[in-house]
Amino acid sequence: NAGVMQNPRHLVRRRGQEARLRCSPMKGHSHVYWYRQLPEEGLKFMVYLQKENIIDESGMPKERFSAEFPKEGPSILRIQQVVRGDSAAYFCASSPFRSSRLDHNEQFFGPGTRLTVL
Amino acid sequence: GENVGLHLPTLSVQEGDNSIINCAYSNSASDYFIWYKQESGKGPQFIIDIRSNMDKRQGQRVTVLLNKTVKHLSLQIAATQPGDSAVYFCAENNNAGNMLTFGGGTRLMVKP
Repeated sequence: NAGVMQNPRHLVRRRGQEARLRCSPMKGHSHVYWYRQLPEEGLKFMVYLQKENIIDESGMPKERFSAEFPKEGPSILRIQQVVRGDSAAYFCASSPFRSSRLDHNEQFFGPGTRLTVL
Repeated sequence: GENVGLHLPTLSVQEGDNSIINCAYSNSASDYFIWYKQESGKGPQFIIDIRSNMDKRQGQRVTVLLNKTVKHLSLQIAATQPGDSAVYFCAENNNAGNMLTFGGGTRLMVKP
């Protein structure tokens, strides 16, 4: 089974451009999570999506950032008008179902997209 | 706000020795904990998890200990190998949401 796939693996943008990061979850998984990681730091939650729905976007900046997970196709994290501070590794994870108090489930991570803003 | 943190940023051990990586958490509502291994240029890889109704769980060469009294989590790696060299993160998940909250990471370096 293919794992979580992310592309591109590396993305270079100039300030003011748009960045689009794609994530294809594992087969059979309908829950997608996006995290951001700065060098030498832990991952920070950004957004949690199910097919066609944003469930929790509490970790995502209110401006310039958006995410979607359409009925068909990969999940997209979109960053408009990028700034140097957006340079980071962006990881996507997927899980087969939603965690509950009785049944936590593992999140499987992709290899990440490393965004560099010049 | 409440977060998960680690005591030691870097741990250097001799090949064959046992390694212990520690993590402190402050969210008393946390009921599920996970250890992840992250190699350079890769995404986090699940190692082992533990629920709050347990205090110990063992896997292959790894053991996770949970002390809820002092809000402390540890990962023990037996007979550490060069392939264990990586950054290790603890993460928490609670029934308030589906996000994982990660600690800052500990870099494990295995000397041959």
